[in-house]
Amino acid sequence: EPEVTQTPSHQVTQMGQEVILRCVPISNHLYFYWYRQILGQKVEFLVSFYNNEISEKSEIFDDQFSVERPDGSNFTLKIRSTKLEDSAMYFCASSEETSYAVHEQFFGPGTRLTVL
Amino acid sequence: AQTVTQSQPEMSVQEAETVTLSCTYDTSESDYYLFWYKQPPSRQMILVIRQEAYKQQNATENRFSVNFQKAAKSFSLKISDSQLGDAAMYFCAPLIQGAQKLVFGQGTRLTINP
Repeated sequence: EPEVTQTPSHQVTQMGQEVILRCVPISNHLYFYWYRQILGQKVEFLVSFYNNEISEKSEIFDDQFSVERPDGSNFTLKIRSTKLEDSAMYFCASSEETSYAVHEQFFGPGTRLTVL
Repeated sequence: AQTVTQSQPEMSVQEAETVTLSCTYDTSESDYYLFWYKQPPSRQMILVIRQEAYKQQNATENRFSVNFQKAAKSFSLKISDSQLGDAAMYFCAPLIQGAQKLVFGQGTRLTINP
């Protein structure tokens, strides 16, 4: 069964450093998402991406964040200068075309980001 | 703005018994979808069941079923014949037609007692 994969599973970084979290969505999916979950809190939407551009983003997704689909398979989330409060589990998700119907979002296993 | 309320931070049930997890939401939209996701200790997010708001019939997926009350904006999840593998955090999440983001509730931690 196809699945969303994410690397690394755990990333430790120093405050102020840049990190790139990587995701490989399901191959025939067209919509891609990033969510985050701070430990003990609910899952929060960060950004959605379609047709090589951001289609929606939350207030959390400020100028420190960026997303990219550098090739036909990877989808990345970059945090330019990490802060302590960026420590969280980051989930990538993908879904089929959503213009005319709502499709399930398939989640990856997550990347745990720890900022020291 | 959408809000999602899961009023039970924790629930426990005996193995083989039935448990119901509650969820209420607030939206002014009429066309939307509702999802329950399960997050076991591995923290993977797994879809349990989905409900289209335009459908009056409650969704069922094996031991999992929902009680969808559109007027009351209530979407509860019933787990029958609970199994040890059902132990997890359960999140309710609406999704508006045409939007892309899931809005998650705070979650309910379900414990299964053997």
